[in-house]
Amino acid sequence: GAGVSQSPSNKVTEKGKDVELRCDPISGHTALYWYRQSLGQGLEFLIYFQGNSAPDKSGLPSDRFSAERTGGSVSTLTIQRTQQEDSAVYLCASSSPTDGNSPLHFGNGTRLTVT
Amino acid sequence: GQNIDQPTEMTATEGAIVQINCTYQTSGFNGLFWYQQHAGEAPTFLSYNVLDGLEEKGRFSSFLSRSKGYSYLLLKELQMKDSASYLCAWGAAGATNKLIFGTGTLLAVQP
Repeated sequence: GAGVSQSPSNKVTEKGKDVELRCDPISGHTALYWYRQSLGQGLEFLIYFQGNSAPDKSGLPSDRFSAERTGGSVSTLTIQRTQQEDSAVYLCASSSPTDGNSPLHFGNGTRLTVT
Repeated sequence: GQNIDQPTEMTATEGAIVQINCTYQTSGFNGLFWYQQHAGEAPTFLSYNVLDGLEEKGRFSSFLSRSKGYSYLLLKELQMKDSASYLCAWGAAGATNKLIFGTGTLLAVQP
């Protein structure tokens, strides 16, 4: 596609429910990142994929958070038993093979509200 | 440490020049990035510095001093559409190429 696509754009869920967020990266980009942006906070790194493997999961805040990537393309971020503090904009980004100069291209994000 | 600091807000006048500063401390460094983010939109890439000095791209320039852990973004001939958040981020050394972001500087351009 022309850019990174994320769905849904907005998600409202009740506390305790599970949610799945989807990211479709730029075609050919092997690196994929998930970030979280809370009000008044910087972008917080969650997880990095190279192909289908996730060599860096250091930013996942708890075991309620998980992510997978299939076919070296689409990725889903799953949050189980959502809590109000999970409310944030979840941003996905992709880049071409890691070489230090390749900028991240971000999607428009999914705004998650947990009530 | 992975600290990165930038001012929270700045105000400037249309047609003027504004400089947004960023300082960082890190034990592994792979370049300094600047992104622009309009409200409700995705961050978009502006510039990348890996060597000391000034990189100029039209109305936008970015400077890096690695020894001082310091960068700035310079915006010239400000336009109303430049009102946005400007995010400073350093690239982590190693295989992930992940970026560590500051909280962003919200720039308001006034007529």
